[in-house]
Amino acid sequence: GAVVSQHPSRVICKSGTSVKIECRSLDFQATTMFWYRQFPKQSLMLMATSNEGSKATYEQGVEKDKFLINHASLTLSTLTVTSAHPEDSSFYICSARLGSYRDTEAFFGQGTRLTVV
Amino acid sequence: AQTVTQSQPEMSVQEAETVTLSCTYDTSESDYYLFWYKQPPSRQMILVIRQEAYKQQNATENRFSVNFQKAAKSFSLKISDSQLGDAAMYFCAYRSARGSGTYKYIFGTGTRLKVLA
Repeated sequence: GAVVSQHPSRVICKSGTSVKIECRSLDFQATTMFWYRQFPKQSLMLMATSNEGSKATYEQGVEKDKFLINHASLTLSTLTVTSAHPEDSSFYICSARLGSYRDTEAFFGQGTRLTVV
Repeated sequence: AQTVTQSQPEMSVQEAETVTLSCTYDTSESDYYLFWYKQPPSRQMILVIRQEAYKQQNATENRFSVNFQKAAKSFSLKISDSQLGDAAMYFCAYRSARGSGTYKYIFGTGTRLKVLA
């Protein structure tokens, strides 16, 4: 299958600072990327959907000013957690779709563990 | 809105035996996809198997097969000849095949599978 790479895999930041997580599709062009948040022993909760060149669509309850998503190219999307606080500590996963056809699969990155201290 | 329910938080199976993981979903749509994803300790999401709602034949992938009951909105995963490497968290997921084209995934809460040697 296609490869989606997230960087960094782990990050520790101080409370009040911002941290950026990158999601890259290595061998295909991703027209749509998704960002998920996963708390320990829980499911993946969709945070937002981004299409290349347009603003991200956020799920209800997700603060768009806190979780900034940029999908500037067909191979790169970034999630920036602004003014991070300990409650933002979580596991963040991105996935990317090739094209917009109904049967196109999404491929997942390996995730980023964010710890805010 | 669509929902996905996994009622078994944890399951155990003896190595080489067969285990079935349950999943039910709710939707008013007729055109959709269902998936089973495996999430091992590495947290990388791995696609195990997928089923298109319009296909009556149950999908199979080697030791993995599904029992898709569209009328009952049930989608169970059977793992035959269980191996130690099958131990992981398993998520059932739903994706619409219609709409705006973003095709969001909706995940269940997961079932942790333990394989006993």
